[in-house]
Amino acid sequence: GAVVSQHPSWVICKSGTSVKIECRSLDFQATTMFWYRQFPKQSLMLMATSNEGSKATYEQGVEKDKFLINHASLTLSTLTVTSAHPEDSSFYICSARDSAGSNTGELFFGEGSRLTVL
Amino acid sequence: GNSVTQMEGPVTLSEEAFLTINCTYTATGYPSLFWYVQYPGEGLQLLLKATKADDKGSNKGFEATYRKETTSFHLEKGSVQVSDSAVYFCALRRAGKSTFGDGTTLTVKP
Repeated sequence: GAVVSQHPSWVICKSGTSVKIECRSLDFQATTMFWYRQFPKQSLMLMATSNEGSKATYEQGVEKDKFLINHASLTLSTLTVTSAHPEDSSFYICSARDSAGSNTGELFFGEGSRLTVL
Repeated sequence: GNSVTQMEGPVTLSEEAFLTINCTYTATGYPSLFWYVQYPGEGLQLLLKATKADDKGSNKGFEATYRKETTSFHLEKGSVQVSDSAVYFCALRRAGKSTFGDGTTLTVKP
């Protein structure tokens, strides 16, 4: 199946710094990518839908200035957590859908990125 | 809005036991239904899917049937293995947007 890769897989940063997480579709093009946040023993919470070449669509309650999303190419979306604080510590997961597929097509998930803010 | 309700966990079984994880959904129209599996420290992997009523998805011994009349998509496996220990998520997709259940943690003991 298709591969989505996230980098870094884990990162530790100091409070107040910014952290960038990359999500790449390795063998397919993805017009749309999705960013989720997962708390321990909880489900995935959709944060935003990342659209190539346009602004991301954020879910209600997600601060767009806090979580900057850029989808500059058909194979790369980035999530930047700005001025990170300990409460931003979480497991962040991206997913992508093959642009050639339909809306019912398979979503491919990255391995996840664990952010710990000290 | 759309929602997915999964059987609460955790579920602990002995090896070779029969597994059922219940999943029901609420959605407008006709969503596609999915089961994903997440192993510790990893992202989600698609386990199986069904895109219309009465479809049966199957993979690695797991099965689930899309039941429109009961709005359910229960996951079953006849004989679980230790390697099946993971968190299982039921999900639906409608109009390109996915909604996930809360996940059910399965632990299989030898």
